[in-house]
Amino acid sequence: SQQGEEDPQALSIQEGENATMNCSYKTSINNLQWYRQNSGRGLVHLILIRSNEREKHSGRLRVTLDTSKKSSSLLITASRAADTASYFCAYPETSGSRLTFGEGTQLTVNP
Amino acid sequence: DTEVTQTPKHLVMGMTNKKSLKCEQHMGHRAMYWYKQKAKKPPELMFVYSYEKLSINESVPSRFSPECPNSSLLNLHLHALQPEDSALYLCASSQGRPRGLLNTEAFFGQGTRLTVV
Repeated sequence: SQQGEEDPQALSIQEGENATMNCSYKTSINNLQWYRQNSGRGLVHLILIRSNEREKHSGRLRVTLDTSKKSSSLLITASRAADTASYFCAYPETSGSRLTFGEGTQLTVNP
Repeated sequence: DTEVTQTPKHLVMGMTNKKSLKCEQHMGHRAMYWYKQKAKKPPELMFVYSYEKLSINESVPSRFSPECPNSSLLNLHLHALQPEDSALYLCASSQGRPRGLLNTEAFFGQGTRLTVV
């Protein structure tokens, strides 16, 4: 299986704290994408980082990519209760025809 | 318009029923996808349509039958499903080939929560 792995599987923090989620993958990638899923709903794209980038920011989100270690991390700073969701990393196969998803991290932010 | 619209939002069907899930996008995307997602699991790819042609079938049982009538619409026809087919079915779209997902992200609909009784 080429499926990515994420850790932790579940993370519970207090509002205002930072949350860090990690993703590891097995193949060479062109880009790595992070998605968010509120309970039982669709996935929302958060950020895309290309293989020649090491770090990318979007608002309170910071994504890093280390292609030598085949890993990425998503940092959410100053978390809010509304950040409670599942977060998935995903990367396209070499043809660009499909995404492989990580197992996901369930983040709970307590008010 | 960056929306992928799926209908219905919820569906309960018996094992002998025939039903269809519908998906629509108006972003000019030429790749459309069906995913199945079980609780606390990542989405699993079922089908990929590229330029209205089926390009990937992930060995999905024939009781699931996809259809792409035009570049904006994607259907999933359901027949003789089993209770284990109960899941969230997600439609997504993205730019088509040649670069596809190498260039950009996928856009997902809100899903259809399917229960087979």
